[in-house]
Amino acid sequence: EVQLLESGGGLVQPGGSLRLSCAASGLTFSSFAMSWVRQAPVRGLEWVSALSAPGTSTYYADSVKGRFTISRDNSKNTLYLEMNSLRAEDTAIYYCAEGPRDDAFHVWGRGTMVTVSS
Amino acid sequence: QSVLTQPPSVSGAPGQRVTISCTGSNSNIGVGYHVHWYQHLPGTAPRLLIYGNNNRPSGVPDRFSGSKSGTSASLAITGLQAEDEGVYYCQSYDSKLSGWGFGGGTKLTVL
Repeated sequence: EVQLLESGGGLVQPGGSLRLSCAASGLTFSSFAMSWVRQAPVRGLEWVSALSAPGTSTYYADSVKGRFTISRDNSKNTLYLEMNSLRAEDTAIYYCAEGPRDDAFHVWGRGTMVTVSS
Repeated sequence: QSVLTQPPSVSGAPGQRVTISCTGSNSNIGVGYHVHWYQHLPGTAPRLLIYGNNNRPSGVPDRFSGSKSGTSASLAITGLQAEDEGVYYCQSYDSKLSGWGFGGGTKLTVL
């Protein structure tokens, strides 16, 4: 069974930084593109960033471009999201997802909560 | 502002059939990008229900089906059950976003 387990969320002040991790198991991690998708309070899902299987191609939503960096360590089966210059509007549950694969996100984690507030 | 438009809520009695619409544009569904559907139940991880417009992943009951026409798509759920209550999202690639866009979500209530 494929499992994705996010960690690293918490409370951070505006302008601060946070690093999220996603530990993957049950799949050949290095074969799959991976993504981060977030859900702000009382809002829908928003795709944040994607990374190709070898980690050579990155994609970002305009709302986070220049502030967030996605990366992976295929030897550790782990995906990361480095978040800098955080804003109140970045407050959300951040989900790790396997994909896009054929443009869909096939497996999701349970998410980690990030709160940006003073 | 979501690139895909869904009704905020739908409801139905147990055993009934409900449909959820997803309206896109000529930067996503209308130019041939596939539509995918997700189920998000309270306190759980989102789950892929339908991919590639009308394909079910292994383990998804055949009570769930998807269709696509023009710039829109629909998710149909037959034989409604109490455990189906949750939020459903459509999703597609969008060329204006240069990324993957979701609908705003539709809350399904089983009466």
